[in-house]
Amino acid sequence: GDSVTQMEGPVTLSEEAFLTINCTYTATGYPSLFWYVQYPGEGLQLLLKATKADDKGSNKGFEATYRKETTSFHLEKGSVQVSDSAVYFCALSKGAQKLVFGQGTRLTINP
Amino acid sequence: DAGVIQSPRHEVTEMGQEVTLRCKPISGHDYLFWYRQTMMRGLELLIYFNNNVPIDDSGMPEDRFSAKMPNASFSTLKIQPSEPRDSAVYFCASSPPGQWGNTIYFGEGSWLTVV
Repeated sequence: GDSVTQMEGPVTLSEEAFLTINCTYTATGYPSLFWYVQYPGEGLQLLLKATKADDKGSNKGFEATYRKETTSFHLEKGSVQVSDSAVYFCALSKGAQKLVFGQGTRLTINP
Repeated sequence: DAGVIQSPRHEVTEMGQEVTLRCKPISGHDYLFWYRQTMMRGLELLIYFNNNVPIDDSGMPEDRFSAKMPNASFSTLKIQPSEPRDSAVYFCASSPPGQWGNTIYFGEGSWLTVV
């Protein structure tokens, strides 16, 4: 079946560091790809998405490019802030719109 | 606009008791999802509805779990009888009709502890 694999956490960085969180997927056809973020004690919020190959999603300084040749959707940010500390989930959906999530990556940014 | 509204936000109950979680999706959305989040298993889709009809309940763990959507603005997830291993955060989510790749919007979750 369809699946998503994320880099294992936790990830700890200093403020202003460069961030990459790796995400790869296994799916037949052409899924849409998403990054969701979960702040402590809250629900999931959409961070960005891409619906076809080579699309780049971006929001709040975060970016991810849909790479069909490598089945990847890595999340990047050039300069992280303490407020970016959260759990990040990569996910895919096909057709019926239900999301298949990766296991989540906990990110902590130290001042 | 109001987002997905869930209640209760927190519930502590004793093993064997019935638990009912409630959800009001975003108006105009015709997909509704129930997810469960635990440390061990991450985020799992339990069931989803389209136009109030259950489409896929393959994620419902066992017969103790049931979900209903009597109308477009309300859904319940019931656990009877509850067990300690049901302790988790239960998220309701909704998404609008139509296109491939629509965003799914999540509520803030119902944090359930069964003791």
